[in-house]
Amino acid sequence: NAGVTQTPKFRILKIGQSMTLQCTQDMNHNYMYWYRQDPGMGLKLIYYSVGAGITDKGEVPNGYNVSRSTTEDFPLRLELAAPSQTSVYFCASRLTGLAYNEQFFGPGTRLTVL
Amino acid sequence: QKEVEQDPGPLSVPEGAIVSLNCTYSNSAFQYFMWYRQYSRKGPELLMYTYSSGNKEDGRFTAQVDKSSKYISLFIRDSQPSDSATYLCAMSKGAQKLVFGQGTRLTINP
Repeated sequence: NAGVTQTPKFRILKIGQSMTLQCTQDMNHNYMYWYRQDPGMGLKLIYYSVGAGITDKGEVPNGYNVSRSTTEDFPLRLELAAPSQTSVYFCASRLTGLAYNEQFFGPGTRLTVL
Repeated sequence: QKEVEQDPGPLSVPEGAIVSLNCTYSNSAFQYFMWYRQYSRKGPELLMYTYSSGNKEDGRFTAQVDKSSKYISLFIRDSQPSDSATYLCAMSKGAQKLVFGQGTRLTINP
């Protein structure tokens, strides 16, 4: 199993540009998450999905969009990039049925908006 | 007030020292308490989890939860340079969304 994979690893965007961060998992997990991590700020939840076709907002959804057409994929879309979106983005997934929330994280995408 | 507070450090200790990492929280509904370890330029990985109050030991690592004080700790005995990482506490009510602390950057010096 590759686990959770993310592409690209790094990206530099200009203000106003758009891009899609890709996330794929091969563990047949129903739940998937997108977080951003800023220095000294921990992980902030952007969006999450409980299964194909179902998504919901997290703590910091403004400026982002998601879709979930398959169990495996959960792309994150930035429509009009702003410097405030400079961050490291992590995708995660978890199995349903466990009493606790163990999430498996991808390696992250480092995004800089200039 | 943040739901979960964690001292961001950085914390630097000599090899072999006992390390104590701590978090406080405000939501008394939290039931599951976790510690994630994140190596540089990697995603976090679950290190340990504890349900409700009490202690849990796994090798050199011990997790403690005191729900009456809303305080959790992670102790690392005989610390090794390979323990150098950022440690994030995380909490949830059941299997609901995780709330993370800010993370503490730890360096173990040989």
